[in-house]
Amino acid sequence: TQLLEQSPQFLSIQEGENLTVYCNSSSVFSSLQWYRQEPGEGPVLLVTVVTGGEVKKLKRLTFQFGDARKDSSLHITAAQPGDTGLYLCAGGGAAGNKLTFGGGTRVLVKP
Amino acid sequence: GAVVSQHPSWVICKSGTSVKIECRSLDFQATTMFWYRQFPKQSLMLMATSNEGSKATYEQGVEKDKFLINHASLTLSTLTVTSAHPEDSSFYICSAYLRTAGKGEKLFFGSGTQLSVL
Repeated sequence: TQLLEQSPQFLSIQEGENLTVYCNSSSVFSSLQWYRQEPGEGPVLLVTVVTGGEVKKLKRLTFQFGDARKDSSLHITAAQPGDTGLYLCAGGGAAGNKLTFGGGTRVLVKP
Repeated sequence: GAVVSQHPSWVICKSGTSVKIECRSLDFQATTMFWYRQFPKQSLMLMATSNEGSKATYEQGVEKDKFLINHASLTLSTLTVTSAHPEDSSFYICSAYLRTAGKGEKLFFGSGTQLSVL
């Protein structure tokens, strides 16, 4: 069974601070996605990374895929209250077309 | 980006009744769709894989006779919760799978359905 472990499970910070969410596994994935979900809504895709060592930036969000394609991180610079939500990582490719989801990280950015 | 439409957004029903949830891919064909269940403040739990034109594949512990899945076309999958009971109350989310050469796999999610069984 493949597992994706996300840490931390919960993060509460003040507006303007930085934060990093980690997603780790012992399995290799052909791709890794990050999603953000707000209460009562479906997850929204933020980014997909497919190459080991790849770094992608989306405004204040920086995503990195580990060289061995087993882990990933999401870094948010100068967090804003609008960044509040549940962040989910999901790995693809090792189990057919099913994605393996991490346990999620709840982020709360206080104004 | 690709759009997946899920209906209804919320439903309240009496215990013992059946509820159908629809998931449509609006601008692409999805041979594979997935159904998830999510409890408050937790991650998504995969219930089943819906394959167009064939039987769904259920995850361990999910009752296939209770959660009926039909994927009759390339753009529509339905989940029917039969004889619903209060313990079936949950947030149900569908997603449609899209694989693009060189861009990896992507899942596009519906907006979810909050089911409350009285």
